Amino acid sequence: DAGVIQSPRHEVTEMGQEVTLRCKPISGHNSLFWYRQTMMRGLELLIYFNNNVPIDDSGMPEDRFSAKMPNASFSTLKIQPSEPRDSAVYFCASSFGTGQAFFGQGTRLTVV
Amino acid sequence: EDKVVQSPLSLVVHEGDTVTLNCSYEVTNFRSLLWYKQEKKAPTFLFMLTSSGIEKKSGRLSSILDKKELFSILNITATQTGDSAVYLCADQAGTALIFGKGTTLSVSS
Repeated sequence: DAGVIQSPRHEVTEMGQEVTLRCKPISGHNSLFWYRQTMMRGLELLIYFNNNVPIDDSGMPEDRFSAKMPNASFSTLKIQPSEPRDSAVYFCASSFGTGQAFFGQGTRLTVV
Repeated sequence: EDKVVQSPLSLVVHEGDTVTLNCSYEVTNFRSLLWYKQEKKAPTFLFMLTSSGIEKKSGRLSSILDKKELFSILNITATQTGDSAVYLCADQAGTALIFGKGTTLSVSS
């Protein structure tokens, strides 16, 4: 199993541009999580899906952020428009039921 | 208000020392307490604790949960430079993991 796959690994974009982060969870896992990690705030939960349905998006910072999971093997996190304060490492993780979460390698986003 | 609080925030020790990392959590919807190790990339799983008082062990690492006092500890004995990392604990409330800010451990040779 290739694990959780995220793309791109690095993204540098200008303020105001749209950014789309992608995630392929581990096959068979039914929960998917998006986290953001910064030095100041640590690892924050943005949103999670269970069986492709968003369960809790209370961690999404504002309306500029949106996430979708059109099927069991793909999810996106979109930021439109992006701002410099969105710069962070964004992790996707998946799990089966209440088991341990497996993390992808992350996308390092820099908004200039 | 932080739901998961880790201490200390950082720690510097010499190789061979024993360290204890602390994690306190909230009880609401508690299912389990997990420990992860994060080096330069993604967090990697160490332990999942669901029952009070039962120690989980993996090599030089061990962890235990106290559900009455709402905390967990992670012990590392005979530390090595390869143990240098950020150690994260997470409260599994429902399905999602809520993480603390981590303890940064630096082991010098």
